[in-house]
Amino acid sequence: GAVVSQHPSWVICKSGTSVKIECRSLDFQATTMFWYRQFPKQSLMLMATSNEGSKATYEQGVEKDKFLINHASLTLSTLTVTSAHPEDSSFYICSARDRDSGDTGELFFGEGSRLTVL
Amino acid sequence: GQNIDQPTEMTATEGAIVQINCTYQTSGFNGLFWYQQHAGEAPTFLSYNVLDGLEEKGRFSSFLSRSKGYSYLLLKELQMKDSASYLCAVMDSNYQLIWGAGTKLIIKP
Repeated sequence: GAVVSQHPSWVICKSGTSVKIECRSLDFQATTMFWYRQFPKQSLMLMATSNEGSKATYEQGVEKDKFLINHASLTLSTLTVTSAHPEDSSFYICSARDRDSGDTGELFFGEGSRLTVL
Repeated sequence: GQNIDQPTEMTATEGAIVQINCTYQTSGFNGLFWYQQHAGEAPTFLSYNVLDGLEEKGRFSSFLSRSKGYSYLLLKELQMKDSASYLCAVMDSNYQLIWGAGTKLIIKP
């Protein structure tokens, strides 16, 4: 199946710093990528939909100025957590769909990035 | 509002069969997905149903009844590696995925 690579897998940072997480589709092109946050023992929570070449669509309650999303190419989307605080510590996961598979195609997930803010 | 319900936790014995149910109420329907997620890892795709009926894929099968807003994931010949959370997700009329909270499946020897 298609591969989505997410980097870094683990990151520890100090409160107040910014962290960038990359999501790459390695063998397909994705016009749309999705960013999720998952707290322990809870399901995925969609944060935003990243659209190639345009602004991301954020879910209600997600601060767009805090979680900056850039989807500069058909294979790369980045999530930057700005001025991170301990409450931002979570498991962040991206997913992507092959643009040739239509809106109902299978979602491929990255490995996830575990962020710990001290 | 939109809602996906599935049991929080289930326990089964190695070699047995287990059925994980999922009921949903969404604005529109464009298919139902099942994903498996091991602790600390990202979800992996298991199945997609958009028409009523049973889809079989090896030891795993998924069933859908759109009129009842109901699906189940059937796992046969359970193995210890099947211990994971199983997530039910429905795609609504806007092609947005609505996720259930997941069912943690514990397999005992």
